[in-house]
Amino acid sequence: DAMVIQNPRYQVTQFGKPVTLSCSQTLNHNVMYWYQQKSSQAPKLLFHYYDKDFNNEADTPDNFQSRRPNTSFCFLDIRSPGLGDAAMYLCATSRDRPAGGLDTQYFGPGTRLTVL
Amino acid sequence: DQQVKQNSPSLSVQEGRISILNCDYTNSMFDYFLWYKKYPAEGPTFLISISSIKDKNEDGRFTVFLNKSAKHLSLHIVPSQPGDSAVYFCAASVGTGGGNKLTFGTGTQLKVEL
Repeated sequence: DAMVIQNPRYQVTQFGKPVTLSCSQTLNHNVMYWYQQKSSQAPKLLFHYYDKDFNNEADTPDNFQSRRPNTSFCFLDIRSPGLGDAAMYLCATSRDRPAGGLDTQYFGPGTRLTVL
Repeated sequence: DQQVKQNSPSLSVQEGRISILNCDYTNSMFDYFLWYKKYPAEGPTFLISISSIKDKNEDGRFTVFLNKSAKHLSLHIVPSQPGDSAVYFCAASVGTGGGNKLTFGTGTQLKVEL
């Protein structure tokens, strides 16, 4: 089955210790997104890739970075995690948006990050 | 500043009855509105969408209504089934360089009781 896979599902890191979250997809979609969802809050877009073009949201902290080495994989790097970065991180993919249209985003199951 | 709001954190409905989930938004630039459903330990799954130029879209038991003047949309589920118990997220879309940027609400936990 075509899908969006996130590894690991649960990640524990220490305050200030860099951590990388992984997302892969078998849908061959050219757009990949990272969202952060804190407890009882709405998922919030951090950034997205359109092919290799990186698009950062204006309010995404510099502490968050991303890499997309190929179509299938995308990584979220948190350089120095703080306690406030504990959250669920959701990866999503979509195809090109058709002119004036919408293409559905497909989500992975998420990685729950705990910062000690 | 929350551009998409779901003011009811939870809703309980009896099986067979109608479930109505509500969502308000503030940004007139949104061009599509979507509903996602989320089960525990899974990612959100797309349910139904509506273009900002329409006022209704129907897919089986699910209907989304859009009132642009009130900046309000609602999802109707008829009849409700126990398997519909999940968190429902309202989202609004703006096109961006090849993709869609989604702004989500905080979700409504729907419980369908037997």
